[in-house]
Amino acid sequence: EDQVTQSPEALRLQEGESSSLNCSYTVSGLRGLFWYRQDPGKGPEFLFTLYSAGEEKEKERLKATLTKKESFLHITAPKPEDSATYLCAVQVGGYQKVTFGTGTKLQVIP
Amino acid sequence: DGGITQSPKYLFRKEGQNVTLSCEQNLNHDAMYWYRQDPGQGLRLIYYSQIVNDFQKGDIAEGYSVSREKKESFPLTVTSAQKNPTAFYLCASKFGTTDEKLFFGSGTQLSVL
Repeated sequence: EDQVTQSPEALRLQEGESSSLNCSYTVSGLRGLFWYRQDPGKGPEFLFTLYSAGEEKEKERLKATLTKKESFLHITAPKPEDSATYLCAVQVGGYQKVTFGTGTKLQVIP
Repeated sequence: DGGITQSPKYLFRKEGQNVTLSCEQNLNHDAMYWYRQDPGQGLRLIYYSQIVNDFQKGDIAEGYSVSREKKESFPLTVTSAQKNPTAFYLCASKFGTTDEKLFFGSGTQLSVL
């Protein structure tokens, strides 16, 4: 059974304090790993797609990396507007099923 | 503008009642999805559909039903068999034949009276 585990469940950072969120996965035939951001009461918004180990993607203060077993979302010098829940998802090859992790709720304090 | 529209935004269900959540997309996407999100939790897959007139159960399909009669529409019915329906329901879609990102609607909050 495909499994996606995110840690920590919640993270509180001071503004400017860099950190990383983790997404561990156990799947057969990873087709793509996705990161989304979700604000309260809204649908998730796409951030990144990673396809193979060693791949990295960057957007503003966020950088996503991928290994054969996990992905990291690095947040550099976060700002209060980065506060949100960050979700990781995987798609297994040959199927359209997309499985999400439980998310990490990030709070950035001014 | 292209996008996914979910309605209603808030819905209340009485005990023993079936309710239907609407999801419409004008993105010409093949695949559509329904997820359930409980407070402080991630998204759990209820049903997904890759093409018209075809759909598959996700991880928590019991107590739910769907139909896919048109490419643009993927309604979700929460039946009386679903004993704990209170949750935030999210519809999503994407191009079916690629590994593209999901586009999400704004969600429906379902509560039990």
